[in-house]
Amino acid sequence: GAGVSQSPSNKVTEKGKDVELRCDPISGHTALYWYRQSLGQGLEFLIYFQGNSAPDKSGLPSDRFSAERTGGSVSTLTIQRTQQEDSAVYLCASSPQGRGGTGELFFGEGSRLTVL
Amino acid sequence: DQQVKQNSPSLSVQEGRISILNCDYTNSMFDYFLWYKKYPAEGPTFLISISSIKDKNEDGRFTVFLNKSAKHLSLHIVPSQPGDSAVYFCAASGSPGTYKYIFGTGTRLKVLA
Repeated sequence: GAGVSQSPSNKVTEKGKDVELRCDPISGHTALYWYRQSLGQGLEFLIYFQGNSAPDKSGLPSDRFSAERTGGSVSTLTIQRTQQEDSAVYLCASSPQGRGGTGELFFGEGSRLTVL
Repeated sequence: DQQVKQNSPSLSVQEGRISILNCDYTNSMFDYFLWYKKYPAEGPTFLISISSIKDKNEDGRFTVFLNKSAKHLSLHIVPSQPGDSAVYFCAASGSPGTYKYIFGTGTRLKVLA
């Protein structure tokens, strides 16, 4: 597809279970971001991948959160031992960045996670 | 610590009038700013951007103004249309060598027909 693809679009899980959220960025985009939006809140930065550089993990809220990006393309965000406060929409974005890029982020439609 | 702030959670404007959405930031290292629009159940979409070397950027009905000394930017929509009703986020970046974007909390704009 032409845009950023995220799956699943909706996920309901029980407290304490692990979840994996997937992001398929736009082909050729070197930068990939994860954000989350909790109910009534803004977009909270989680993690940023740029090419082969070490990811910027400064936004991950706890060590229960991790993300990887394989082969510079698809990314998976993993939340272990989910808590109710993890309930949010998790948004992935990609960008054709390097130096000189416009900086525009292209977002997917998000994965809505509900932890019961 | 909220580095990018949108202090108005909501705004209502009559169709045809001007909508002004405001954004303040605290980090003087930020040098690139973007506005995004978000409809319910969709991802945010890019609207307009501005670099710190400019104080104004226009694109059709949308104009972004940047006041670096005040660490303030604003988005003007003229004339406002009902289809502009959405949540608007401003975002800022500037750390050298990285493009980590910090988003504000958003302003919900409602344009009344």
